[in-house]
Amino acid sequence: GQQVMQIPQYQHVQEGEDFTTYCNSSTTLSNIQWYKQRPGGHPVFLIQLVKSGEVKKQKRLTFQFGEAKKNSSLHITATQTTDVGTYFCAGRGSSGDKLTFGTGTRLAVRP
Amino acid sequence: DTEVTQTPKHLVMGMTNKKSLKCEQHMGHRAMYWYKQKAKKPPELMFVYSYEKLSINESVPSRFSPECPNSSLLNLHLHALQPEDSALYLCASSQGQALGRGNTIYFGEGSWLTVV
Repeated sequence: GQQVMQIPQYQHVQEGEDFTTYCNSSTTLSNIQWYKQRPGGHPVFLIQLVKSGEVKKQKRLTFQFGEAKKNSSLHITATQTTDVGTYFCAGRGSSGDKLTFGTGTRLAVRP
Repeated sequence: DTEVTQTPKHLVMGMTNKKSLKCEQHMGHRAMYWYKQKAKKPPELMFVYSYEKLSINESVPSRFSPECPNSSLLNLHLHALQPEDSALYLCASSQGQALGRGNTIYFGEGSWLTVV
């Protein structure tokens, strides 16, 4: 079945440093979604990418979808303590079937 | 703030109890989901309802029984659970067909379940 891995599992950065999490799927995806889950909270939808090579920005967050539609990345510029949480990618297979969540990357930010 | 409402937020139940988790959404979404999330793990899909019909059951044990009384409500009935079933149970919804490619899934805040 489809597997979606994220690296790193955990990253601890100093406030102001940049952060990137990478998402890799075992199969080609029709689209990919990114979610943020704060400690003790629930996943909150951030963005969806659909097109090969697509890049979208939300303030300090930049999302990319790979040309082969098998990988994606989330980059945060100049992290803030409010960025703390676990970031999940979630990919939908090319046949449009269920959403499979990645393993997640937990971000900690030192003030 | 989420527009998917789940109750109760916390539930402690014994292994012989029968309880239910409830979920409600008023966004007009026609697909609703139950996910289970253990600590430090991603959400795992349990059930999908599309237009009030069960469309996916991810081989979930029968001690979990979903119910969709109408397009806005989704219940998860719990009976004879095990301690390893303790987890965060997330309800979610999306527009239109459950497996539509463009569908964004919106999560509720979850119900924290502890089985003792």
